[in-house]
Amino acid sequence: LAKTTQPISMDSYEGQEVNITCSHNNIATNDYITWYQQFPSQGPRFIIQGYKTKVTNEVASLFIPADRKSSTLSLPRVSLSDTAVYYCLVGDPLYSSASKIIFGSGTRLSIRP
Amino acid sequence: NAGVTQTPKFRVLKTGQSMTLLCAQDMNHEYMYWYRQDPGMGLRLIHYSVGEGTTAKGEVPDGYNVSRLKKQNFLLGLESAAPSQTSVYFCASTLQQGAGDTGELFFGEGSRLTVL
Repeated sequence: LAKTTQPISMDSYEGQEVNITCSHNNIATNDYITWYQQFPSQGPRFIIQGYKTKVTNEVASLFIPADRKSSTLSLPRVSLSDTAVYYCLVGDPLYSSASKIIFGSGTRLSIRP
Repeated sequence: NAGVTQTPKFRVLKTGQSMTLLCAQDMNHEYMYWYRQDPGMGLRLIHYSVGEGTTAKGEVPDGYNVSRLKKQNFLLGLESAAPSQTSVYFCASTLQQGAGDTGELFFGEGSRLTVL
């Protein structure tokens, strides 16, 4: 089971690009990297998932270097509504045993006007 | 399409009382999970189920029991509530994975439990 390490908190301002890095040195060959976002008083929601290189959707981009030992979630031009906790998870989506779905403490992102 | 629904959303218990949290999903998902989240902390897995009639322990199972008698429902029970079980409880579900599936977890809105 690949353990992940993320910064506990980050601050930024509206309109800036925010990059949150996750370290996962023991990632396995079949593992994917998945990011979730959690607003206060809500359950987490899926943002993006990737295996290598770069993945982009309407919400964020995910950059994964060749060695896959880390990944970076990029949020372009953040707004106040992006204030949330962001979780990085590593696991094999073809093997959805809950032992693979462990949430760490996440990164608490605060956006200021 | 309701997704994942948790009831009740709020509950206050006295120490030693029992209660059951209900999680219902209408997406025909095989896998269901119960997490707890303490203030300022991440989610911790209590119990999970990989299909109707099956349950398994997660990271913090002590003091809780679960049942999955129907595929769409996953019940979390507290037989004798303790103040340490004051938390927000989240239920989640996901499909049986196949090639190309992301394994995305769908969460309920949470159930806030206070044990006095």
